[in-house]
Amino acid sequence: AQKVTQAQTEISVVEKEDVTLDCVYETRDTTYYLFWYKQPPSGELVFLIRRNSFDEQNEISGRYSWNFQKSTSSFNFTITASQVVDSAVYFCALSEAKKLGSSNTGKLIFGQGTTLQVKP
Amino acid sequence: GAVVSQHPSRVICKSGTSVKIECRSLDFQATTMFWYRQFPKQSLMLMATSNEGSKATYEQGVEKDKFLINHASLTLSTLTVTSAHPEDSSFYICSARSWRADTQYFGPGTRLTVL
Repeated sequence: AQKVTQAQTEISVVEKEDVTLDCVYETRDTTYYLFWYKQPPSGELVFLIRRNSFDEQNEISGRYSWNFQKSTSSFNFTITASQVVDSAVYFCALSEAKKLGSSNTGKLIFGQGTTLQVKP
Repeated sequence: GAVVSQHPSRVICKSGTSVKIECRSLDFQATTMFWYRQFPKQSLMLMATSNEGSKATYEQGVEKDKFLINHASLTLSTLTVTSAHPEDSSFYICSARSWRADTQYFGPGTRLTVL
């Protein structure tokens, strides 16, 4: 069975601090995708990143970086020099990758989410 | 990036009435659309998966007669909450996935309040 665990329910930091959001997943699939989404108070989910299970390279996008480690089934998300606008709920998610001839629908399995509060 | 719209963004209705929520993919064709429900301070719960032109697949515990889903075209899916009751009050979010991409793009959500 697939499962995503975000053990940190809430994190509070002061602006300019670095913060890491943890994500651990379970799957029997050999090919899968991992995602991070941001949900600000407005409620809309904002796509941040998608990572293919074959690609273990870390990724950096501005102040955001992601560390994918297959050996520990983790896909952690770090925000450097956090800002008040980063305050939101962050969700990690997992889906089976689409295969040719497969009926897979790409259903997303979400973690419970981590609420990040960045104080000025 | 891909844009998904939802309408209405907020609806208040009386108990016993039916409410229809629309989900549209604006700049791509969505072969699959998903409907989620989110209670306050909780994660998203997948309700059903709909493929264009076929019946929706409902998750365990979701009443298909209560939550009617129609995916009539490659850009539109609708969720109808029939005979709504206060316990149906929630935040409903749709997402759309294109035939070539393995990424779901989410709509802005619809907040339903049943009085």
